[in-house]
Amino acid sequence: GESVGLHLPTLSVQEGDNSIINCAYSNSASDYFIWYKQESGKGPQFIIDIRSNMDKRQGQRVTVLLNKTVKHLSLQIAATQPGDSAVYFCAENQGNTDKLIFGTGTRLQVFP
Amino acid sequence: NAGVMQNPRHLVRRRGQEARLRCSPMKGHSHVYWYRQLPEEGLKFMVYLQKENIIDESGMPKERFSAEFPKEGPSILRIQQVVRGDSAAYFCASSPLDNNQPQHFGDGTRLSIL
Repeated sequence: GESVGLHLPTLSVQEGDNSIINCAYSNSASDYFIWYKQESGKGPQFIIDIRSNMDKRQGQRVTVLLNKTVKHLSLQIAATQPGDSAVYFCAENQGNTDKLIFGTGTRLQVFP
Repeated sequence: NAGVMQNPRHLVRRRGQEARLRCSPMKGHSHVYWYRQLPEEGLKFMVYLQKENIIDESGMPKERFSAEFPKEGPSILRIQQVVRGDSAAYFCASSPLDNNQPQHFGDGTRLSIL
């Protein structure tokens, strides 16, 4: 029979523009959140994390925003570069467990 | 590079055979996690181990799958009597003793079942 695959949402941006990738998380009890970048054929690479007692955290060219009221997380990448092209996953960690719950992912495509 | 090391990177098995996937955590890390990823999907938690202990195996299928993290040597994810549906990428992550640290991932083992 024919199989139907899931297609990741895709964000296409021009090199040099800012990128914003959004994520809705599932559990209001989650208290730790991580953004990962995954390139083809590789494992998830840690980008930035944030705890629930914060609503914003900045790294090098990246900013994570957390809105606990609507259970929303976003990753902002400044001056997007071709090397930023990858699939980006948010992950949540519920305080009483150590397992990460991953979102479905967003594919970022950077064009010149 | 003292990152999480997984081997083999690619593993091909026929239906009914056994698959063994190995993971060496980062130096100084005592927590190991296994996740499974299907194409175009996020990672799904399988099991969390510390040395000689399984802490959480809520994501492991009840049959054919087992995991260990012995006192010496790598963590092993073992799949017995593999079926086509076991084809996936299996990722291992590790974190230090302090749980409030991000998990760092290896580059995975891609398991293909013929």
